[in-house]
Amino acid sequence: DTGVSQDPRHKITKRGQNVTFRCDPISEHNRLYWYRQTLGQGPEFLTYFQNEAQLEKSRLLSDRFSAERPKGSFSTLEIQRTEQGDSAMYLCASSPSGREDNEQFFGPGTRLTVL
Amino acid sequence: AQSVAQPEDQVNVAEGNPLTVKCTYSVSGNPYLFWYVQYPNRGLQFLLKYITGDNLVKGSYGFEAEFNKSQTSFHLKKPSALVSDSALYFCAVRDIDNNNDMRFGAGTRLTVKP
Repeated sequence: DTGVSQDPRHKITKRGQNVTFRCDPISEHNRLYWYRQTLGQGPEFLTYFQNEAQLEKSRLLSDRFSAERPKGSFSTLEIQRTEQGDSAMYLCASSPSGREDNEQFFGPGTRLTVL
Repeated sequence: AQSVAQPEDQVNVAEGNPLTVKCTYSVSGNPYLFWYVQYPNRGLQFLLKYITGDNLVKGSYGFEAEFNKSQTSFHLKKPSALVSDSALYFCAVRDIDNNNDMRFGAGTRLTVKP
């Protein structure tokens, strides 16, 4: 399967702990996006990368959140000092670069539960 | 800022009947419009998109959508529903004149009954 993969698929943590999620995009895709999805809602944009450059961050991305894509391939999303409100599905998507009309290809998501 | 509304949380149709899932949008510039489907324990899958040209767009699995600029709508349609179409459907918009964010609606759960 050459689609977008995410690891882990599920994460349960205690409030105050740090967590890190990984996303591996489709190999030829230069753009990588992170979204958060809560129950009953659509995905909410968090941030995106063009190769290794982080080009945009949503105001939803508080200073406890950080994302990296050091070599322009896989990306990590870290949440420090987790709060119960961080419980959500975290989605990663990728797309070819250069054209805003390209559809995004989504991974299966990482479900985070903060106790 | 752009926004998307999916006015129906739930749509129920009988197998073989036509289905419509509604979407309206708001952008200050010109829109790119997308439909995605989400099956349980699966990632969102792209169905179709409107960029420019014909207002009627055809996509995967027999789905189509009609772009209506005057009504700012992009309703998803299928002439004959299948039980396997039961899933969560999301409409999304990108304002191509202003920024790169993709904004999603809250989703509509489609249930097709045999």
